[in-house]
Amino acid sequence: DARVTQTPRDKVTEMGQEVTMRCQPILGHNTVFWYRQTMMQGLELLAYFRNRAPLDDSGMPKDRFSAEMPDATLATLKIQPSEPRDSAVYFCASASTGFTEAFFGQGTRLTVV
Amino acid sequence: ELKVEQNPLFLSMQEGKNYTIYCNYSTTSDRLYWYRQDPGKSLESLFVLLSNGAVKQEGRLMASLDTKARLSTLHITAAVHDLSATYFCAVDQYGNKLVFGAGTILRVKS
Repeated sequence: DARVTQTPRDKVTEMGQEVTMRCQPILGHNTVFWYRQTMMQGLELLAYFRNRAPLDDSGMPKDRFSAEMPDATLATLKIQPSEPRDSAVYFCASASTGFTEAFFGQGTRLTVV
Repeated sequence: ELKVEQNPLFLSMQEGKNYTIYCNYSTTSDRLYWYRQDPGKSLESLFVLLSNGAVKQEGRLMASLDTKARLSTLHITAAVHDLSATYFCAVDQYGNKLVFGAGTILRVKS
C-alpha cells in the first residue's frame, strides 16, 4: 500500500557528526515537507518542496541544515555538524498536486550525544 | 505569518462525556486538517475540511470549519479510552505550506 518511507527510523550520533535522513514520498506525490517535532517546540516546518524545487526553507537553520530532492523518489535532510539541540523526531510528509491531504512517514528519531 | 492556535492544550475527560477542541488561525485559508498522533507514532489524517461550513464526522469525532471566523472545532461525543491521543489541527497556507497548531493532549479516564 502507498506510504511515505523514512530511513533510518532511529539514529544515535555524536556531536559534530554528519547525519543524513532520507524520505521516499508516495509515488506520484509532488509536494514534500520536512518537519521537526520536539516537546518544547511542537511540529516545526523546516522546508518543503514542490516538483523537487525548494519553495520554502526558512524554518531551517541554514548554517548546518540542508534539504534536497535529488529525484522525485528521494528527499534528504542533512545536518552537519550535528548538535545535541538537534535531537528530535524528524517527519517527512508528501502530498499530491491540489494538495487535499498530506501523508506522514513514521519519522526518524535523532539523538545527538 | 500564519499562526495556528489550539485550545485547550491538555484535556482530561471522563468516559462518556462530550467536549470540543478549538483551532483558530490568523490568516485567510479555506483548507484545514485534523490529525491524530499516538505516543511514539506518526501523524494520522482524521479530517480534511476544504470549504466554509464543511462538516465531517467519523465515529465519535466531528470536525467543522468556519472560514469567516477562522475557526475549526473538533467535537468529541461520549468519549472512550481509545480516543486518548494528541490531536493537531493544521492550516494550508497559500495552497502549499502546512502549518500546525501546538496540539491538544487528550486523556480519557475510566
